[in-house]
Amino acid sequence: DAKTTQPPSMDCAEGRAANLPCNHSTISGNEYVYWYRQIHSQGPQYIIHGLKNNETNEMASLIITEDRKSSTLILPHATLRDTAVYYCIVRNNYGQNFVFGPGTRLSVLP
Amino acid sequence: EAGVVQSPRYKIIEKKQPVAFWCNPISGHNTLYWYRQNLGQGPELLIRYENEEAVDDSQLPKDRFSAERLKGVDSTLKIQPAELGDSAVYLCASTLAGGAYNEQFFGPGTRLTVL
Repeated sequence: DAKTTQPPSMDCAEGRAANLPCNHSTISGNEYVYWYRQIHSQGPQYIIHGLKNNETNEMASLIITEDRKSSTLILPHATLRDTAVYYCIVRNNYGQNFVFGPGTRLSVLP
Repeated sequence: EAGVVQSPRYKIIEKKQPVAFWCNPISGHNTLYWYRQNLGQGPELLIRYENEEAVDDSQLPKDRFSAERLKGVDSTLKIQPAELGDSAVYLCASTLAGGAYNEQFFGPGTRLTVL
């Protein structure tokens, strides 16, 4: 079973920030938080991952709470091409498999 | 650089027929995964290979599913015989190494419809 809980769907206006929440209250000290997204008819695509500190790359920012029980993926300026299913996954770096839940379906609206 | 290649992209068969899917991972990636994705769900791992060795096949329904990666490069997933419930998208992914973190790269998948 997935160790994360995400809302099933969200809407966001084009050009605005999209904030996607994820709860992982049972996360272990050696587990990272990963985000992938899946655009329609494509395989999932890696976005970002982090352990404790906030992370930023060219695609998104990841904000992890101090207790690490939840996190937020931020797409700073959502475009129509960001419409996808976003998966939040917790996993250690010692060979543990990725376990995908149903994710959050983000719809970016014009 | 070519990504993960899968074929065919679509397959329609009648129940009880056999079917096979092929995956060519990114060059140099020694870890290969097969996932099944049902409609509205996230991908579920079927099997993971490290080179030619299947290191995790605990979720593979072995009565009808089989997989091989003979030379540690490309891989084939087979279903025989197919059942109606096998209709899904079958995804292949690869990474440089399965232990330490390396980004998983996914192929576009094969959409199987069993009639």
